[in-house]
Amino acid sequence: SQELEQSPQSLIVQEGKNLTINCTSSKTLYGLYWYKQKYGEGLIFLMMLQKGGEEKSHEKITAKLDEKKQQSSLHITASQPSHAGIYLCGADRSGGSNYKLTFGKGTLLTVNP
Amino acid sequence: NAGVTQTPKFRILKIGQSMTLQCAQDMNHNYMYWYRQDPGMGLKLIYYSVGAGITDKGEVPNGYNVSRSTTEDFPLRLELAAPSQTSVYFCASSYSSPGPLHFGNGTRLTVT
Repeated sequence: SQELEQSPQSLIVQEGKNLTINCTSSKTLYGLYWYKQKYGEGLIFLMMLQKGGEEKSHEKITAKLDEKKQQSSLHITASQPSHAGIYLCGADRSGGSNYKLTFGKGTLLTVNP
Repeated sequence: NAGVTQTPKFRILKIGQSMTLQCAQDMNHNYMYWYRQDPGMGLKLIYYSVGAGITDKGEVPNGYNVSRSTTEDFPLRLELAAPSQTSVYFCASSYSSPGPLHFGNGTRLTVT
């Protein structure tokens, strides 16, 4: 089974709709990073979560880490075409090292105008 | 402020050829990383460095070599290219570990 699972694999929404992407780990998450990737480009850092129950927001994107620190969600409110891309989560499950980050396979988001 | 710069953006190699993927950052970050990204797979760490003169293997180092003579540069060398090395390669840097990674735009490599 996947050690770090993202769901859904892909998502098509109408502009203006809300959506949620999940990242689930079989192990405790000491840190969880959300990135966005556009085709042909690098990954752009969105948010980092480290504490159980932590929630961070930037513009219309909110990321949460559950109390048990095994699941994170990324929520986009009133989606826009500019939100389209691939969203990846990266997990620190070793306790404080970037060398052992595990990345999810990504969620492809399409926003139709 | 350019961030992390990778060159080239695209490259086609024949089996057995060698090449160096260049990576430079201007943020004075000590930590630098090389990842490969294959379709349907997550990013896999090839090599990383915690500072000039110090490098170490990641999850998938076979077929690759790195050096870190300066803080700014972290080139990745492919010797005897194989079709299995066809991938998109990303270089990244970070100020701290743990801490967010800053990625370059990638090099798309095809080995035929």
